Amino acid sequence: GNSVTQMEGPVTLSEEAFLTINCTYTATGYPSLFWYVQYPGEGLQLLLKATKADDKGSNKGFEATYRKETTSFHLEKGSVQVSDSAVYFCARVDSNYQLIWGAGTKLIIKP
Amino acid sequence: EPEVTQTPSHQVTQMGQEVILRCVPISNHLYFYWYRQILGQKVEFLVSFYNNEISEKSEIFDDQFSVERPDGSNFTLKIRSTKLEDSAMYFCASERDRGFGNEQFFGPGTRLTVL
Repeated sequence: GNSVTQMEGPVTLSEEAFLTINCTYTATGYPSLFWYVQYPGEGLQLLLKATKADDKGSNKGFEATYRKETTSFHLEKGSVQVSDSAVYFCARVDSNYQLIWGAGTKLIIKP
Repeated sequence: EPEVTQTPSHQVTQMGQEVILRCVPISNHLYFYWYRQILGQKVEFLVSFYNNEISEKSEIFDDQFSVERPDGSNFTLKIRSTKLEDSAMYFCASERDRGFGNEQFFGPGTRLTVL
């Protein structure tokens, strides 16, 4: 099938903790992969992307590596801040250029 | 920095009424999209639009839905006769070009509540 699966939330961490949000996908071929973030009351913003295997996307201290062997694109950050509290969506593009989305993971960072 | 805008931010309507959701894509973008997110569920693709016609649409996008680019700036989604299950957050997106790894830019969304 064509899907994106990400870990259920909410994920609650203390400030400066290490973050991992898992994402795996199913697809034919090697689609471009994305992480979008939705801050409270705002729209969907692209956080980072990777367009081919072994690419690493990075932005604002977040990273994700395109792993074709495990069909994964896990999001990581070494030290989270309260301002990182948001909903994070993993997505991939399909052959018709539409985005296929994961369910979203709510991240709560406590001071 | 250019951004996609959407109006209204929240629309409340009665079942059976028509609604029009409005979007202003980024000015030099060529591809336009509508997605929706029912509360607690995944974001779902509705339709894509290019060169003044629909290029792809999902099963959700039935005869009750239509899209239009009435002028050079607006991109609208019309629901002719709303149903309770149309209540959702509707996101508009635009893309400069299609290609490897191109980014879709999203608006802040319109929350549609059908009573």
